[in-house]
Amino acid sequence: RKEVEQDPGPFNVPEGATVAFNCTYSNSASQSFFWYRQDCRKEPKLLMSVYSSGNEDGRFTAQLNRASQYISLLIRDSKLSDSATYLCVVLNAGGTSYGKLTFGQGTILTVHP
Amino acid sequence: DTGVSQNPRHKITKRGQNVTFRCDPISEHNRLYWYRQTLGQGPEFLTYFQNEAQLEKSRLLSDRFSAERPKGSFSTLEIQRTEQGDSAMYLCASSLGKGLSGSTYNEQFFGPGTRLTVL
Repeated sequence: RKEVEQDPGPFNVPEGATVAFNCTYSNSASQSFFWYRQDCRKEPKLLMSVYSSGNEDGRFTAQLNRASQYISLLIRDSKLSDSATYLCVVLNAGGTSYGKLTFGQGTILTVHP
Repeated sequence: DTGVSQNPRHKITKRGQNVTFRCDPISEHNRLYWYRQTLGQGPEFLTYFQNEAQLEKSRLLSDRFSAERPKGSFSTLEIQRTEQGDSAMYLCASSLGKGLSGSTYNEQFFGPGTRLTVL
């Protein structure tokens, strides 16, 4: 089983739609969680961190359920510029592994006019 | 440009040749990471440096792979006797860690990557 699993999609949605991505992780000791965005042939960039209390950044909302080991990302009012691959990322806890990011496969989103 | 830089951006080589990639992290960052990304997959961790010390290596990093960060600044990743399965994007990232027992995550900033094609 992969440490971080995502539905690879692709998701094709019209502008203005709301779209949700889900992710599960296997290591219950994982400490921190993130969503990264990766444009085609570009490097990954941090989109937002994910907290147990849930957090929102404009049109983006991230949720973490530690009991279910489940992470989600909701994008409201999709824009053409949201088209990208969204990577679910988990940070390993403790020791010399601290700082090692484990990425999911990525979910491809295409927003069309 | 004060971001992470990587050279070369593209490398095409024949199977069996050796290749070396360079990463220049953000200047004040003491942590440096190498990842590998193949088509349709997320990046996979390869190795991690805290200053000049290589503190962790993934099982993905076979004996043909070696990484160095001699002065705690730039890093090199060398692949010896390349194989077609080595074809991938090699990404470098850096962050401002807080020491070996640091308890705070600092964002990892990625470079543009080196795309390796082994023929």
